[in-house]
Amino acid sequence: AQSVTQLDSQVPVFEEAPVELRCNYSSSVSVYLFWYVQYPNQGLQLLLKYLSGSTLVKGINGFEAEFNKSQTSFHLRKPSVHISDTAEYFCAVKRSREKLTFGTGTRLTIIP
Amino acid sequence: EPEVTQTPSHQVTQMGQEVILRCVPISNHLYFYWYRQILGQKVEFLVSFYNNEISEKSEIFDDQFSVERPDGSNFTLKIRSTKLEDSAMYFCASSRQTDRSEAFFGQGTRLTVV
Repeated sequence: AQSVTQLDSQVPVFEEAPVELRCNYSSSVSVYLFWYVQYPNQGLQLLLKYLSGSTLVKGINGFEAEFNKSQTSFHLRKPSVHISDTAEYFCAVKRSREKLTFGTGTRLTIIP
Repeated sequence: EPEVTQTPSHQVTQMGQEVILRCVPISNHLYFYWYRQILGQKVEFLVSFYNNEISEKSEIFDDQFSVERPDGSNFTLKIRSTKLEDSAMYFCASSRQTDRSEAFFGQGTRLTVV
């Protein structure tokens, strides 16, 4: 079975500073990787996904992530954060035709 | 933009009561899911549903839980006899296909069992 580790439960960042949210996964087979965002009192919204091809994927709101197979990582980055990026971010993995397995989430707090 | 809608947004029920959480998936999607998120914890898979039957379920999805697609649009999750530990946010999701498509999530139903 696959698993997802998000080591940082909380990440405070100053506004306009860069941010990286870390995600590592374990799986014995190829997987698809996703980042979802959950704004306060809202549902889960897809930020970006990696299915195949280029290891650098770009998503909404200026976020991007890089798939690193050798390090089994899929870290999320943004070069300059905004107050509106305050949210919980979830990394998730799935194998073909299977359910999503989520990490425990990282709460991103933007400091004005 | 099409979206998954869930009702109600918040449900309070007494322990031992039955609850039905409702979801309207995106219309051309074929795969439907329920996930839950206990406060402060990660999002956990409950069940997936395709072609009018359960395709996969987790160990959480015991005999107290059931799912149904009673008509062409609704997808429901029933908890027969709620327990305090069923208190959580329940998310419905749907996807067009199961392989490479992402799942689209609803806003969630917060279930509080008292």
